[in-house]
Amino acid sequence: GAVVSQHPSRVICKSGTSVKIECRSLDFQATTMFWYRQFPKQSLMLMATSNEGSKATYEQGVEKDKFLINHASLTLSTLTVTSAHPEDSSFYICSASWRELAEAFFGQGTRLTVV
Amino acid sequence: EDQVTQSPEALRLQEGESSSLNCSYTVSGLRGLFWYRQDPGKGPEFLFTLYSAGEEKEKERLKATLTKKESFLHITAPKPEDSATYLCAVQAGGFQKLVFGTGTRLLVSP
Repeated sequence: GAVVSQHPSRVICKSGTSVKIECRSLDFQATTMFWYRQFPKQSLMLMATSNEGSKATYEQGVEKDKFLINHASLTLSTLTVTSAHPEDSSFYICSASWRELAEAFFGQGTRLTVV
Repeated sequence: EDQVTQSPEALRLQEGESSSLNCSYTVSGLRGLFWYRQDPGKGPEFLFTLYSAGEEKEKERLKATLTKKESFLHITAPKPEDSATYLCAVQAGGFQKLVFGTGTRLLVSP
């Protein structure tokens, strides 16, 4: 299967600082990338969908000013958690798809802890 | 609103004991149904895509089937390494995003 690399895998930051998470498709061009959040023993909650070169589409209830998404190229999307607070601590996962109706491939996830 | 329900929530099997996981869905215009496996602390790993009722896909000990209302993931003679959470997701309507079920946590004991 295709490879999606997410970095970092773990990050600890202080409350009030910003954290950037990268998602790269290594062997295909991703027309669409997705960002999810997952709480312990729960399923994936879609935060936003991003298409290369255009603004991300956020799901209802997700603060676009807090979770900044940039999809600058066909192989890279970034999620920046701005002014992080302890309640933002979670497991963040990206996925990438190369076309509609195609399966999406997931990154390894990023465990964010805000202290 | 599109909905995906997986059952059971958790399943414990002995090694070699075959079983099935269920994924029932209520969507407007199914475009595709996807099965993923997720290990603790990792991102989901793609298993299968099913597009139309009657379709079946197989991979090693796993077989996925699809009807107009549900999908089954059959596990034949499971091994401890099959222990994971299995997630079902649908793509529907005019949207590319996936709607996930809550998953089935499978534990296979030696």
